[in-house]
Amino acid sequence: GENVEQHPSTLSVQEGDSAVIKCTYSDSASNYFPWYKQELGKRPQLIIDIRSNVGEKKDQRIAVTLNKTAKHFSLHITETQPEDSAVYFCAAIPRPLSSASKIIFGSGTRLSIRP
Amino acid sequence: EAGVAQSPRYKIIEKRQSVAFWCNPISGHATLYWYQQILGQGPKLLIQFQNNGVVDDSQLPKDRFSAERLKGVDSTLKIQPAKLEDSAVYLCASSLRQGDNYGYTFGSGTRLTVV
Repeated sequence: GENVEQHPSTLSVQEGDSAVIKCTYSDSASNYFPWYKQELGKRPQLIIDIRSNVGEKKDQRIAVTLNKTAKHFSLHITETQPEDSAVYFCAAIPRPLSSASKIIFGSGTRLSIRP
Repeated sequence: EAGVAQSPRYKIIEKRQSVAFWCNPISGHATLYWYQQILGQGPKLLIQFQNNGVVDDSQLPKDRFSAERLKGVDSTLKIQPAKLEDSAVYLCASSLRQGDNYGYTFGSGTRLTVV
């Protein structure tokens, strides 16, 4: 069935350094890949997304890359700051995008930024 | 726009008791989802509605969980009887696709503790 694997499960980086989180998906029909940030006790919030017709997308300090051939995508956070500490979830929609599409989530990465 | 509303925010019950959660999606969003998020894990889809019809309930433990969306707007999720392993945050989300725009929004969730 549909599956999204995410690594690492925990990540600790020095403030100012970069952080990279990687995900792989199983369904080759997937064509939409959002990333969510979840702070403690709060709802998941969409931070960036990418569609399959694009290889890379950037938004300030956050970028996402997609390799459709290898079926993996990655989140890159540069110049990390304390407020980047949270759990990050990758996700994939495992069928052509429609109003009835559902999101399959990875297991999450707990990112800690060391001062 | 108003977000996805959920209530209650917190609930503590004893095992074998019953509990119900309520969700009001964003106005106009035809698709509604219920997710279960166990501490330290990614959200797991329990059930997906398209208007008032069920699209996917393959991961809903139907011996104890039930959900309905009678008028295609609000939804309730019920657990009867609850088990200790049902302790989790129950997230409701709604989505709408219009052309290339895909909106998917989570509610704040209901934190259930079964003791």
